[in-house]
Order: sequence, then structure tokens, then C-alpha cells
Amino acid sequence: QVQLQESGPGLVKPSETLSLTCTVSGGPVTSGSHYWSWVRQPPGKGLEWIGNIFYNGNTDYNPSLKGRISISIDTSKNTFFLKVNSVTAADTAVYYCARDGYKGLDYWGPGTLVSISS
Amino acid sequence: EIVLTQSPGTLSLSPGERVTLSCRASQTVSNRNYLAWYQQKPGQAPRLLIYEASYRASGIPDRFSGSGSGTDFTLTISTLEPEDFAVYYCQQYGRSPWTFGQGTKVEIK
Repeated sequence: QVQLQESGPGLVKPSETLSLTCTVSGGPVTSGSHYWSWVRQPPGKGLEWIGNIFYNGNTDYNPSLKGRISISIDTSKNTFFLKVNSVTAADTAVYYCARDGYKGLDYWGPGTLVSISS
Repeated sequence: EIVLTQSPGTLSLSPGERVTLSCRASQTVSNRNYLAWYQQKPGQAPRLLIYEASYRASGIPDRFSGSGSGTDFTLTISTLEPEDFAVYYCQQYGRSPWTFGQGTKVEIK
């Protein structure tokens, strides 16, 4: 059973960089059948796909966030990462990591709330 | 990007009723109908219910079914159970960027 777990600071100051880690267990991130995605959800609002990464490092980002986001992967640690630069209050959200493939987003982490505030 | 519009925004229903949720795309999703449905309860991550428009994900009860193709998709719950009261999202993953509908809340009447 694949499991994902997000980790990182719960509070980030405006204009700084939000950094999150997603640790995957129960299956390798090097699966050639899956990408690894980040999704976020502002409090009380809907879901927004941020972007994804393949095990070889190929990435695809949502243009609405392009220029501010970076997704990377460490196959040796079965882990992938999200960085969002120059954050504002609008980046306050629950951030989820998920496995991404022909079945859509089939496994999700529990999510982590990141608040942007001074 | 593909815009997904879900309707209605909220449904007030009683257990035992049949539920039909709609998801309409601004353009064809893909030739593989890469359209998924998720259920989300408060404080929880979304759970995959349906993928490729009509295939139930592992462990999903058969009261959930999906249909549609092209731009019009439907999620049906044949008989509403108490645990089905939640928010439901559709998502297309055929054309980047992946996009979600705004959600339909199914609440207890």
C-alpha cells in the first residue's frame, strides 16, 4: 500500500520561500508508470493542481504559478519536494502530495497546512 | 486550460436517495476520457472514486458510478448512505494543467 506524508514548516513569512517534503513509502518513486504531484487547497476553497515530477526529473507546472514554483525529487530517499518563492497570504493553504498516473491522483498524503503570516 | 464546471453547487438530500452530479468541460478532456471524481470530507484528503470517467477505484462501493465522454460527465450515487455526505470534485488529467471543478457539496436534508 503506497503512503505519502507531507512535512515542512506550518508558518512562513511573506516574501519568503515555502519548502515542503513528501516522503513516499510502500512503493518506489522510480515507478515508470507514475508522476508525483502537488495540490493545494486554500481554507474553505477548492483544489488547485500545482505541478508534478517524473522520476527522471521532468516537471510540469501550472502556469498560474510558474516562475514561483520548483518541484524536485530525490530517488535515493524516495522523496520529492516543493518550493514556492515570494509567498503571499494567497499561498496560505493545505498542501497535498499525491501519486499521479492514468488513474488520476490515486494516493494522497493527509495534507499539511501552511500559513503565510508575519 | 480546461475549465470544469460542476453543478449543482449544493444538494440537500436524505439517505436512500439517488444522486446525480454533473461536470462539464470547456473543451474535450482527452481521447482517453481522463476525468476523475474525488470525495472529500472535512479535514481529510480527497479520495479517488472514479478514473477514466467510468472506472471505479479500488475499494469503492458499486453504488458509485461514473459516465460520460468528451465534455459532459456524470457521477451517480445509486442509494445515498450516511457516509456519502461530503464534497465531490471532478478533475481532468488529459491536458496540462490538470484542473478541478469547484466542487458539489452533498448535505443532509
